[in-house]
Amino acid sequence: GAGVSQSPSNKVTEKGKDVELRCDPISGHTALYWYRQRLGQGLEFLIYFQGNSAPDKSGLPSDRFSAERTGESVSTLTIQRTQQEDSAVYLCASSFRGVGALGGYTFGSGTRLTVV
Amino acid sequence: QKEVEQDPGPLSVPEGAIVSLNCTYSNSAFQYFMWYRQYSRKGPELLMYTYSSGNKEDGRFTAQVDKSSKYISLFIRDSQPSDSATYLCAMSRATGANNLFFGTGTRLTVIP
Repeated sequence: GAGVSQSPSNKVTEKGKDVELRCDPISGHTALYWYRQRLGQGLEFLIYFQGNSAPDKSGLPSDRFSAERTGESVSTLTIQRTQQEDSAVYLCASSFRGVGALGGYTFGSGTRLTVV
Repeated sequence: QKEVEQDPGPLSVPEGAIVSLNCTYSNSAFQYFMWYRQYSRKGPELLMYTYSSGNKEDGRFTAQVDKSSKYISLFIRDSQPSDSATYLCAMSRATGANNLFFGTGTRLTVIP
């Protein structure tokens, strides 16, 4: 597609439920990133994929968070047993190779997750 | 202490004003500096990136980096209502870095 697509755009879930967030990167972008944006805070790095491997998972806040990627395509971020502090906008970005540091990221519009 | 500090604002200015947005950082390893613009309910989009200390100009936007003071700025000249958005600074240690470190963002409103 023309841009990074994320779904759903909004998700309201009950505390304790599992949620899956989806990211469709730009075709041909080998690198994919997940960030979290909580209200009043900067973007927090969660995980980085190069192809379908994740060489950097250092930002995942707990073992309730996991992510996978199929080939150089769709990625899914899963949050198990959601807590209220998980409420945030989850942003996905993709780029060619790992050149994000030079501004090669293209971000999606995010999934706004609300845990009630 | 956060690695990147940015005043969240909000900042309101009249149309045509010069806007100054700033970030400070603590990690001297940061080498690459970026400014992103984020409209409501949208993802951030890259405005400018710089590598070295000094100024970089692109149209109405000027990015300034002072590595000795660990201070970066974005200036917007002749501000327009369409510039109303949240501006985030971001920085990285190296070209191949896997992640960027972001400021909290400054919300700017340009009043017609």
